[in-house]
This record gives sequence, C-alpha cells and structure tokens, in this order.
Amino acid sequence: SQELEQSPQSLIVQEGKNLTINCTSSKTLYGLYWYKQKYGEGLIFLMMLQKGGEEKSHEKITAKLDEKKQQSSLHITASQPSHAGIYLCGAPAAGNKLTFGGGTRVLVKP
Amino acid sequence: DSGVTQTPKHLITATGQRVTLRCSPRSGDLSVYWYQQSLDQGLQFLIQYYNGEERAKGNILERFSAQQFPDLHSELNLSSLELGDSALYFCASSADRSSYNSPLHFGNGTRLTVT
Repeated sequence: SQELEQSPQSLIVQEGKNLTINCTSSKTLYGLYWYKQKYGEGLIFLMMLQKGGEEKSHEKITAKLDEKKQQSSLHITASQPSHAGIYLCGAPAAGNKLTFGGGTRVLVKP
Repeated sequence: DSGVTQTPKHLITATGQRVTLRCSPRSGDLSVYWYQQSLDQGLQFLIQYYNGEERAKGNILERFSAQQFPDLHSELNLSSLELGDSALYFCASSADRSSYNSPLHFGNGTRLTVT
C-alpha cells in the first residue's frame, strides 16, 4: 500500500520567515493534494498537482510535484499567523483510496 | 465553507451503543468518502460511495457500515462501540468517481467520544 511521509512533523517559524514542508511517497505519485487543517476542524483544500514538474501557487503558498523523486513540497513565503495549522498531503492510491500523510504542524510566532 | 454538512458536531455515548453519523455532500457531488482521524492513526480512509453504490473500501471495521441514499446524503453507522472508536469522523465529497481527477472537499467532522 502507498505510504506518504511528511517532514518535518512540526515546525515553529518566526512571522515573516519562509518555511518548506516535504511529502515523500513510497510509490509513484500520479497526483498529489495539499490540505490545511485547523485543530479539530475540517480539512481545507489548498492545491492539486497532477503532473510531474507541475508547480502551483496561491497567495503565498507554492507547491511542486517531483515525480521522479516521488516527492512534493509546499513552500510558504513570509509566513503569517494565519498560516498556522496542520498541513496534510494526500495521494490517490490503488482501489481509489486517497491516502494521507501524518501531517506537519506549523506554528507561527508573532 | 466547503459545502459539506455533517451532523451532529459532537456525540458522546457509552460503550456497546450504536450511533449514526450523517453527511450531506456539496451540491452536484456524487461521491462521498468517510474518514476516521485519531491521534495515533492519523487520517484513515473508511469507505467511498459513488451515486449510491459502494466504490472503494478501506480500513472499515465490520461493526461499521455506511450507505448513500438516492438524494446522495450518506450515513455512517457505528455499532457495538468501543473506547478506541473515539475519534473525529470526516465526510468528504467530490464530483468525480475517482480521487485521481477531482479534489475531496471535507466537512467539519463529527467528534465521537465513547465513555
């Protein structure tokens, strides 16, 4: 079964600093989703990457998909307190299951 | 607001009991997914329905069952509840039958506490 490993598991950044989260798959990636979750709440869809080399940006968040490395990265530029939360990557797997990584908890210090 | 509605928000019940969680998908979405989120297991896929038919099955216990009705709302039934069933249960919906083509949109979840 496909497994997604996220790193780091948690990080604390100073407001205004950049941060990067990685998501590595145990199998070939045919697509990758990024979500954000506030503690105890639902997941908010951020971006969907479908092709190797694809890069998407929304506001200050950029995500890339490296098919060869079976990896995706999420980069936040000039972090703000509103960026705090848990970021999860998800990938379609065999049997139409959408598998998720363990999440990266982000805390932004003012 | 994702457009996916889950009720109730919170549920507290005793071991051995049975509960039903309800989900209304986004308007126009035909697929409904159920997930369980706990601290030790993370987000685990349980089951997917597409237009009333079961489409994919994950780590769903035999004590759990689900269905999707003609109006596309879905219910997740949990029976013979155990302490370990305490978790956040999410419903998600998407337009497509496959998770390869369209993102899932999640509800705010039902927090189940079994005492």
